[in-house]
Parts: sequence; structure tokens; C-alpha cells
Amino acid sequence: GAVVSQHPSRVICKSGTSVKIECRSLDFQATTMFWYRQFPKQSLMLMATSNEGSKATYEQGVEKDKFLINHASLTLSTLTVTSAHPEDSSFYICSARPGGRIGELFFGEGSRLTVL
Amino acid sequence: GQQLNQSPQSMFIQEGEDVSMNCTSSSIFNTWLWYKQDPGEGPVLLIALYKAGELTSNGRLTAQFGITRKDSFLNISASIPSDVGIYFCAGQRETSGSRLTFGEGTQLTVNP
Repeated sequence: GAVVSQHPSRVICKSGTSVKIECRSLDFQATTMFWYRQFPKQSLMLMATSNEGSKATYEQGVEKDKFLINHASLTLSTLTVTSAHPEDSSFYICSARPGGRIGELFFGEGSRLTVL
Repeated sequence: GQQLNQSPQSMFIQEGEDVSMNCTSSSIFNTWLWYKQDPGEGPVLLIALYKAGELTSNGRLTAQFGITRKDSFLNISASIPSDVGIYFCAGQRETSGSRLTFGEGTQLTVNP
């Protein structure tokens, strides 16, 4: 399958600071990537769709100024959690789909964010 | 919110037993996907289904795309301890691009 990689896998930060998480498609190009959030013992919830070269599309209830998404190249999307607070602590996972492979979305390893 | 009903929520089985889980929806999907997630990891794609009635296998795993396009099931035969994890179904609508709707997950525990 296609490989999607995230960095960092774990990050701990102080309240009020900003944290950037990177998502890379290693062996394919992705014009679209997706950012999910997962709380313990819950399913994945889509936060936003990252579009290469244009603005991200956010799901209802997700603050775009809080969760900044940049998709500057066909292999890299970044999620920046600005002015993080303890309630932002969660598992953030990105996904992408290789072109021509209808439906199949491949996920990164996830990034565990803990805000103190 | 979630629009896929996945059951059961959890299963405790003995090694060697077969397992079955399913997802149902009130709306039609044109693609069904099954993922497995280990603790602290991202979901890994197990099987993708594209046609109503399609039955697809991947080793000991078998999944089917329901005829009505509103449901799918996943079977695991002869379970082993490494099958432990959370299994998610996910559906994709024709009008949603690549956006997926996820089920709530099935936590599988396999006792040696």
C-alpha cells in the first residue's frame, strides 16, 4: 500500500504555545489530504480537507483560525494547532489517497498531542 | 456526526475462533473500507469494496459489500492473538469526494 508519514509522533507543549504537525505522502503525490482527530476510545472525526495550492475546507464546528492547515506541495500538508490548550490534547491523524485508486485512503501513524 | 452503526462494540474471543462484525447505514455508500487500528497507531487499510455484492478476501479476512449498498460485514477466521485491535468500517459516498464516514469501531480481544 501507499505510505503516509507523520511527524512528530508525540509532542508535549505548554498551554498557549503553537504546535506544528507534518503529514507527508512518501511514494505518491496527493492533491488532497485529510486531517482527523481521535479522542480515547472514540472513532475518527474529520477536521478538515487540505487542498494543495488552495485553502483548506473545514468541517462544521472546527475553528479554522485555531487549526491552521497548509498544503504547500503535493507531498506535504501541515496542521498547526495555535495557542494550544489542554482540551486540544488528542490524537491527530492525517490521510491521503493515491491518484487513480478510487476510495482507498491511507493513514499516517498519528501524532499524540499533550498540552500541559 | 457518525452515520454508520457498527456492531458489536467489543468482542472477547478465544484464539482460533471466527469473528464477524458489521456496519449498517440509513444511506447508500459507493465504497466500503475496513481498517484496523493498533493502540497509538494510525488505521491500516485491510480491505476495500467497490461494488454491491462484492465479496473480497485478504488472507483470513473476508468482507462483503451489501446488496443494498447500506451495509458491509467483515469476517476473521481462525483468530490469532495479533488480531487484537480496533476495527473500523468506513463508507464513502459518490458525492463526498474522498471524505470518509467512520463507524464507531469494534474492539477485538483474543485470548490465547
